[in-house]
Amino acid sequence: QLQLQEAGPGLVKPSETLSLTCTVSGDSIKSSHYYWGWIRQTPGKGLEWLGTIYYAGTTYYNPSLKSRVTVFVDTSKNQFSLKLSSLTAADTAVYYCATHHGAYCRSSGCYPYYFDNWARGTLVTVSS
Amino acid sequence: QSVLTQPPSASGTPGQRVTISCSGSRSNVGSNPVNWYQQLPGTAPKLLIYSNDQRPSGVPDRLSGSNSGTSASLAISGLQSDDEADYFCASWDDSLSAVVFGGGTKLTVL
Repeated sequence: QLQLQEAGPGLVKPSETLSLTCTVSGDSIKSSHYYWGWIRQTPGKGLEWLGTIYYAGTTYYNPSLKSRVTVFVDTSKNQFSLKLSSLTAADTAVYYCATHHGAYCRSSGCYPYYFDNWARGTLVTVSS
Repeated sequence: QSVLTQPPSASGTPGQRVTISCSGSRSNVGSNPVNWYQQLPGTAPKLLIYSNDQRPSGVPDRLSGSNSGTSASLAISGLQSDDEADYFCASWDDSLSAVVFGGGTKLTVL
């Protein structure tokens, strides 16, 4: 049974960079079955996808945040991570890591498929 | 503003059938599968329906999904108090090259 657990600071200062890690247990992060993603949720904006990575290196980012978001994998630790830079109060949210059930492929390319496992979420507050 | 449009609220009495809509465009709902998530208070979202109308194991068949043109729907029949939750639709958007979500619908069982 695949399980995910986020870790990171609960409070970050404005203009700083948020770093969150998601530890995977129950399967290898190099499994071809999964893509690894980050989503956040705020009361005002609902659910917002941030970015996704396949262990071999393919990444997908929300274009509205692309200049500030980085997602990367550490295969030695069976973890994947999120970095979000230039934080403001608007980045205050519950952050989730989750798995995509592989990719959905069409003639135009392959895209991350539905989220089938979610971690519990971690609240991050941006405040001085 | 969310890319996919859902009604902010829906309600029904026990035993009733309720439907939640998810309206999009040709670049998302009109071209790609729609997935639905249920979020109970204080918990993470949970996959309810994938690929428009497929149920993961463990999801009862009184829940069903459909997709027609640029609009998708989630139907819950035999409404139960346990169904009281927030429901979100999601899809891939070809124009944005992004996963997009609906704003969510809060379902109340009266």
